[in-house]
Amino acid sequence: GAVVSQHPSRVICKSGTSVKIECRSLDFQATTMFWYRQFPKQSLMLMATSNEGSKATYEQGVEKDKFLINHASLTLSTLTVTSAHPEDSSFYICSARRASGGDYEQYFGPGTRLTVT
Amino acid sequence: GDSVTQMEGPVTLSEEAFLTINCTYTATGYPSLFWYVQYPGEGLQLLLKATKADDKGSNKGFEATYRKETTSFHLEKGSVQVSDSAVYFCALSDPPSGSARQLTFGSGTQLTVLP
Repeated sequence: GAVVSQHPSRVICKSGTSVKIECRSLDFQATTMFWYRQFPKQSLMLMATSNEGSKATYEQGVEKDKFLINHASLTLSTLTVTSAHPEDSSFYICSARRASGGDYEQYFGPGTRLTVT
Repeated sequence: GDSVTQMEGPVTLSEEAFLTINCTYTATGYPSLFWYVQYPGEGLQLLLKATKADDKGSNKGFEATYRKETTSFHLEKGSVQVSDSAVYFCALSDPPSGSARQLTFGSGTQLTVLP
């Protein structure tokens, strides 16, 4: 299989603090990981594309200094929401793509529900 | 740019009813097409996909056929179950090869199946 995990599944933090979300590919190596944001009853919005060992590519309108992405290994990418505010409350979903084998499919994590109070 | 237009929901059906969720797309290249399902509080799961014209993707009783002439990829199921209640997303990946291969999602369609 191709399993992607996220940790934590839910987090509540106070306004002004930072929160780190981990995305791991458990049984495969992923050269590319994607981070999405989903508002209630809406579609997924791509925030950034993360390539192992290089800087993430952010979509237009996404603040790179606020949403820090680190893809330090072929199985781990992290998203840090810095100085979080209530408007950052959302469902954050990552996906991962295999490093080889011509498999371009994205495998999605279960998501992290962030609530900023 | 690329876009995906999905039938707006919510859709409410009785168990064993026939389901169609319409999806049309606009793409500059020759995309791959996908249907994803999202159960409450969970991430997305790939339901089915098709990579070229006239391909039919199928899984768990769901089917969708890649229609290039109508730029459509409608999702169908002959007899829905309560457990099919979820949000369904149509998506495309264009171009099908290349390093980025990002997904473009439709807005999602909420399906509720009543017993």
